[in-house]
Amino acid sequence: SYEMTQPLSLSVALGQTAKITCGGNIIGSKDVHWYQQKPGQAPVLVIYRDNNRPSGIPERFSGSNSGNTATLTISRAQAGDEADYYCQVWENSAVVFGGGTKVTVL
Amino acid sequence: QMKLQESGPGLVKPSETLSLTCTVSGGSINGDTYYWGWIRQPPGKGLEWIGNVYYSGSTYYNSSLKSRVTISVDTSRKHFSLKLSSVTAADTAVYYCARLTDYSRWYMDVWGKGTTVTVSS
Repeated sequence: SYEMTQPLSLSVALGQTAKITCGGNIIGSKDVHWYQQKPGQAPVLVIYRDNNRPSGIPERFSGSNSGNTATLTISRAQAGDEADYYCQVWENSAVVFGGGTKVTVL
Repeated sequence: QMKLQESGPGLVKPSETLSLTCTVSGGSINGDTYYWGWIRQPPGKGLEWIGNVYYSGSTYYNSSLKSRVTISVDTSRKHFSLKLSSVTAADTAVYYCARLTDYSRWYMDVWGKGTTVTVSS
């Protein structure tokens, strides 16, 4: 089955840029989606199809996908961006999630 | 605005069957561009996909759970359901229902708030 690898944690200074990676075999050939999950809350879709933002998601969130790595970028990080982030693909008739990355804003 | 709401027992005994329902409001469950799915999250762990159901009743399941899972849909009552048999403590988790969209790329654009299920005697 397809596997995706995310760093367990990442720290970013307030106002700086965070890059969350999602590694997988030729992931650049797939459509990658990203979710934000704050403590005690349901996940929220922040990026779909690699680099598209749903309505209501700030422009500070962007995505890219090439080769073996997809990346979620959070620009001008705010305290409210502190959360767990998960990448996801649809592969072989199954939803596959990455392990998740905990982002801390310092 | 579409909303999903999970319901069901919060406590299930080991070896019994976990049963949850997700009620859809603010939109149709019959749309041919959507799947309806279940995802769970054990305490302190990541997201695990359980399976999806189409309005016609066709399903996809996580291969690791397939032998124990049944997901069904009742379009007349605008809900879909999850049954997980022979539960153990490892099935303790927050269970989310969600709408999946975007044919062949499927992702979850609407989520329920989740319901906590504990497996314990």
